Amino acid sequence: GAVVSQHPSRVICKSGTSVKIECRSLDFQATTMFWYRQFPKQSLMLMATSNEGSKATYEQGVEKDKFLINHASLTLSTLTVTSAHPEDSSFYICSAVDRSNYGYTFGSGTRLTVV
Amino acid sequence: LAKTTQPISMDSYEGQEVNITCSHNNIATNDYITWYQQFPSQGPRFIIQGYKTKVTNEVASLFIPADRKSSTLSLPRVSLSDTAVYYCLVGEPRGSTLGRLYFGRGTQLTVWP
Repeated sequence: GAVVSQHPSRVICKSGTSVKIECRSLDFQATTMFWYRQFPKQSLMLMATSNEGSKATYEQGVEKDKFLINHASLTLSTLTVTSAHPEDSSFYICSAVDRSNYGYTFGSGTRLTVV
Repeated sequence: LAKTTQPISMDSYEGQEVNITCSHNNIATNDYITWYQQFPSQGPRFIIQGYKTKVTNEVASLFIPADRKSSTLSLPRVSLSDTAVYYCLVGEPRGSTLGRLYFGRGTQLTVWP
């Protein structure tokens, strides 16, 4: 089946630094990827839609200058949390859409802790 | 977007059948109903999708009445490993569109020995 790899699975960074999270579709091409954030005991919140070769579309209330998204190839999208603060600590999950059948596959998530 | 309402939590015992109902009164004609499962610190996993009547796969069944204003996910003979959060989503079908998926609160299912 389709596999989406997220890296790193866990990251701890200091407040004020930036951290990059990668989302890769391993065995299919994904023209569209989605980024979600999930706080403890809460549901997934869609942050942005990442389209290969174009600018990401952000959901209302999500700061595009803080959460930089790059979708440079059909198998890779990256989310960079810039100038991270403790309130950015969360579980970040990506989802990739297989361009051949439009099936959605989620990554295993990245636990970000900002100290 | 059709809003969904699910019970916040449910409890069951191993070997029992579990039915989780989702209400979606404002479902649109083109909307499908999709269920995902999520374990702690993991991404959601697709379980089943349907449009009307009944759909069955190797892990679950999905029952959708004629008015489509609700749906029921049925898990036969649950085990401890079925303890997870289950999300009901209503929208464009998985497999034919690039629509965004919006998750509701989900149902925490806890299976006891």
